[in-house]
Amino acid sequence: DAKTTQPNSMESNEEEPVHLPCNHSTISGTDYIHWYRQLPSQGPEYVIHGLTSNVNNRMASLAIAEDRKSSTLILHRATLRDAAVYYCILRESGGTSYGKLTFGQGTILTVHP
Amino acid sequence: KAGVTQTPRYLIKTRGQQVTLSCSPISGHRSVSWYQQTPGQGLQFLFEYFSETQRNKGNFPGRFSGRQFSNSRSEMNVSTLELGDSALYLCASSVAGQETQYFGPGTRLLVL
Repeated sequence: DAKTTQPNSMESNEEEPVHLPCNHSTISGTDYIHWYRQLPSQGPEYVIHGLTSNVNNRMASLAIAEDRKSSTLILHRATLRDAAVYYCILRESGGTSYGKLTFGQGTILTVHP
Repeated sequence: KAGVTQTPRYLIKTRGQQVTLSCSPISGHRSVSWYQQTPGQGLQFLFEYFSETQRNKGNFPGRFSGRQFSNSRSEMNVSTLELGDSALYLCASSVAGQETQYFGPGTRLLVL
């Protein structure tokens, strides 16, 4: 599995935007970039995913570099409920990695009131 | 739709015992995956089942096994429990295994 690199931790203030970076220099052309987050005492939760173009949904935006070797998850206005561990994961499209998500250590996001 | 449910939520066992954990996927989801989460190793993939067949397996010893029933519900079993098996066991479901996965709250297992 291609590897991702994320900062161990980041901090933000409530209602400010948060940019969570992820490096994936060995990404292949068929790898999708997925983000999941895990709130305290809960299972991981899907946030967003993309292949080449930037993506937006109700939770966040995903900005993908032109060479696809890095991406940034953007939370437009952080709330206390966004405090979680954020995981950047590469998933091969059409491969045989059924059901398998390869989690790294993720980024612990702390949101201050 | 109801989310992924896992039972029991908490479990205490002693070394050498065996344990069975249950997972009910979201209605219509036929793929169920299992993960182990520990502070030291993080989240690690155990195996995936689809239509009662194991399609993918992680790097865990044979003491860890699973199965899936015709209604897509899945169970995982750990035999001869070791202290290191203490972990949060998470189940996730998806439509066919390659899409967004939806995780349950997990079963927290403590082995004494």
